Order: sequence, then structure tokens, then C-alpha cells
Amino acid sequence: GQNIDQPTEMTATEGAIVQINCTYQTSGFNGLFWYQQHAGEAPTFLSYNVLDGLEEKGRFSSFLSRSKGYSYLLLKELQMKDSASYLCAVEDSNYQLIWGAGTKLIIKP
Amino acid sequence: NAGVTQTPKFRVLKTGQSMTLLCAQDMNHEYMYWYRQDPGMGLRLIHYSVGEGTTAKGEVPDGYNVSRLKKQNFLLGLESAAPSQTSVYFCASSYEGASQPQHFGDGTRLSIL
Repeated sequence: GQNIDQPTEMTATEGAIVQINCTYQTSGFNGLFWYQQHAGEAPTFLSYNVLDGLEEKGRFSSFLSRSKGYSYLLLKELQMKDSASYLCAVEDSNYQLIWGAGTKLIIKP
Repeated sequence: NAGVTQTPKFRVLKTGQSMTLLCAQDMNHEYMYWYRQDPGMGLRLIHYSVGEGTTAKGEVPDGYNVSRLKKQNFLLGLESAAPSQTSVYFCASSYEGASQPQHFGDGTRLSIL
């Protein structure tokens, strides 16, 4: 079967750095997406990785290791507005997205 | 530029009733998707469309039907609602299907009593 694993919940302090991990087992791999979803709102696109390595975009970075079936999202200089759920999704061999259940990130002052 | 618009935003139905959820996008995207989101689970694909006049089944299609008569609209129908269909429904669109970010509507919160 296809499976995406993420921690259910994480807590971090404003101004700090947090790393949200995602491991996957899917039938094929055509890329990995990270989305942010604030409570009661729509998911919004953050990043896309298809090759191994780190992609940096402002305060957010995303890393991929295809051989390990592993990705992480790194958030720096955390702000209160970063309190949200972070969704990992893998594009399988049929180019359909398989979604993790999401990691709820709580930022404390 | 509205992006992806879903109507209605909230609805309460009784078991056995039918309804249609409407999704409209103004980005000229070819691909459109319907997902449901339940607590503790990832988004699950119900049906999708790769272009006007086409539809295809996703992971959880049973109990739902869809139509894409116009490129900008994607309708999701529940013919006979069941309590198990209580969920938040999201519509999304993308320019192409492969390796393109999907743009989501604000969701429809549907309760079946």
C-alpha cells in the first residue's frame, strides 16, 4: 500500500527553528509537495522537490532524499502566523497526489 | 482574480437527500479535483478531470458523481447522502496534472444527519 507518515503535532517557540519530517512509501515517485493549511482554511502551496537536496525559499526550506523515502520542511525564525498544519504529499507513478495526515505546528511566545 | 470558488460554504443535509457542490476556477486550468478531508486523515481524492468533458475516479469515488461540462466548472453530486459523507470537501485545480501545484478553494463543510 501507499503510505505517508508525518508527526501528528509539534510545538516550537517564536523565533526558533523547527523541522517537520515526512517519510513515504508509494508506488512510484514523481515529486513531493509541502502545503500549509491554517485552521478552517484551504491548503496553500509551499514547495516542490523532485531531485535530492535542499530547496530554499525565504524562511522555509524543503529537503528530499529519494533513496531514503524522506523529506523535511524547515521553518526558520518562527512567527506566530506559522501556527498551522503542514501537509506532505507525494506524486505517485500515476501523477496523483498521496497526502499525509498533516503535522499541526503550535507556536508559543 | 478569484482563483477557485466553492459554493456553498456550509450545508446540513438529512440522510437520503441529494445535493450538488459547485466549484469554479478562473485561472484557465485544465485539471480539476475533488477531495474530502476528515480528521486524522490525509486529503483523499474523490474524482478528478483532466479537461472539459472528462472525468475519472479517484481513491474514494463511491456515492459521488461529477460533471465537467465547462472548463471552468467542476460539479460534485451526492445522490443519496449518508452520514459517512460528513466531511470537508475541497476543490482544487492545476494548470497541468504532472508536477504542478494545486490551487484550492476554501472548502465546503457538509454535515449529514
